[in-house]
Amino acid sequence: GAGVSQSPRYKVAKRGQDVALRCDPISGHVSLFWYQQALGQGPEFLTYFQNEAQLDKSGLPSDRFFAERPEGSVSTLKIQRTQQEDSAVYLCASSLPLVAGSNPTEDQYFGPGTRLLVL
Amino acid sequence: AQSVTQLGSHVSVSEGALVLLRCNYSSSVPPYLFWYVQYPNQGLQLLLKYTSAATLVKGINGFEAEFKKSETSFHLTKPSAHMSDAAEYFCAVRGGGKLIFGQGTELSVKP
Repeated sequence: GAGVSQSPRYKVAKRGQDVALRCDPISGHVSLFWYQQALGQGPEFLTYFQNEAQLDKSGLPSDRFFAERPEGSVSTLKIQRTQQEDSAVYLCASSLPLVAGSNPTEDQYFGPGTRLLVL
Repeated sequence: AQSVTQLGSHVSVSEGALVLLRCNYSSSVPPYLFWYVQYPNQGLQLLLKYTSAATLVKGINGFEAEFKKSETSFHLTKPSAHMSDAAEYFCAVRGGGKLIFGQGTELSVKP
């Protein structure tokens, strides 16, 4: 079975350019997460989807960041007018749904990430 | 708010020696704790997790961790380091649906 895949693996953008990062979750996983990992740091939460609904976008650093998952499967993270501080690895993870009232211990499976460098 | 703190950004051990990577947590509710490993240019792989069952948790590749509520700790150990263990290790706590990660500890293994 295929794991979480992300594309592109590497992206170089000029400052001010728009970029789109894609995540293909594991088939059947309805929960999808985006994290940002700056160099030498731990991943930081950006946003969370359950199916097509974006339930938490509290981690998005600015209104230049936008994520969507229109059909509840593939997700795209878009960054508009990129800045140098956006340079990071963007990780996507998917999991089975969190069932209300149960232990929230569904494992998150991570993709390899997209390394974004903004020049 | 929940958080984790990893003590030591770099740990170096000799091959065959004990590995000890430290993690302390802060949580107002019973925590769900995780250790992940990240190899260069790869995503995160789950090593083990604590979900309020047994306090000593065994994971993959010979790693284990012990949940100690009195010390608010969840340290990761392995009795004998192997060269292939060299990687970045992250402790995390679950906050709602998302994971909250520590800064990471880079483990080096000397031959």
